[in-house]
Amino acid sequence: DVKVTQSSRYLVKRTGEKVFLECVQDMDHENMFWYRQDPGLGLRLIYFSYDVKMKEKGDIPEGYSVSREKKERFSLILESASTNQTSMYLCASGGTGGYGYTFGSGTRLTVV
Amino acid sequence: DQQVKQNSPSLSVQEGRISILNCDYTNSMFDYFLWYKKYPAEGPTFLISISSIKDKNEDGRFTVFLNKSAKHLSLHIVPSQPGDSAVYFCAASAFSTGGGNKLTFGTGTQLKVEL
Repeated sequence: DVKVTQSSRYLVKRTGEKVFLECVQDMDHENMFWYRQDPGLGLRLIYFSYDVKMKEKGDIPEGYSVSREKKERFSLILESASTNQTSMYLCASGGTGGYGYTFGSGTRLTVV
Repeated sequence: DQQVKQNSPSLSVQEGRISILNCDYTNSMFDYFLWYKKYPAEGPTFLISISSIKDKNEDGRFTVFLNKSAKHLSLHIVPSQPGDSAVYFCAASAFSTGGGNKLTFGTGTQLKVEL
């Protein structure tokens, strides 16, 4: 089974802090993704990466950046956290058409 | 713009009956459509998918139907069980301009299966 591991289940950060969310997958997938889930808005794509050091903006990239130095690790960075970035963050890997992605358990981030 | 839409935020069904979850899309370039199930405080799990060249795919109690002319798909769960109570997300796959393959999700439908 593909495993996607997110480093934290719950995080509380202060406004203006730089925040790192880490994601590791163990199946050698090229594609990795960061989504956020908010009530009534579904899952919205922030950034994705289809190869090491390659990244592409998703639908809501503002306020975020990403890093992929190694194939198995994809990091989401909140440069200066704001309260509107309080959300559930979900990492996924895979993405070969009909087989979809495997998701991590999520990180519930609260910015105060 | 919302390329994948789930217009029903919630659905309540009795145990043993059929659950039908609906999804509409606007982008004719989508090549696969998928359904995910999500429990609270967990990541979504893949349920079933269908290629854009097919009109039906079945896996046990789950069947997905695709109507390309209407840009509509539906997930049927028969018979519904209490453990099926979860949020169901419809998703659609397409290649991005940069070469990656990405999923666009709908807003989800909360299914409640009652005893």
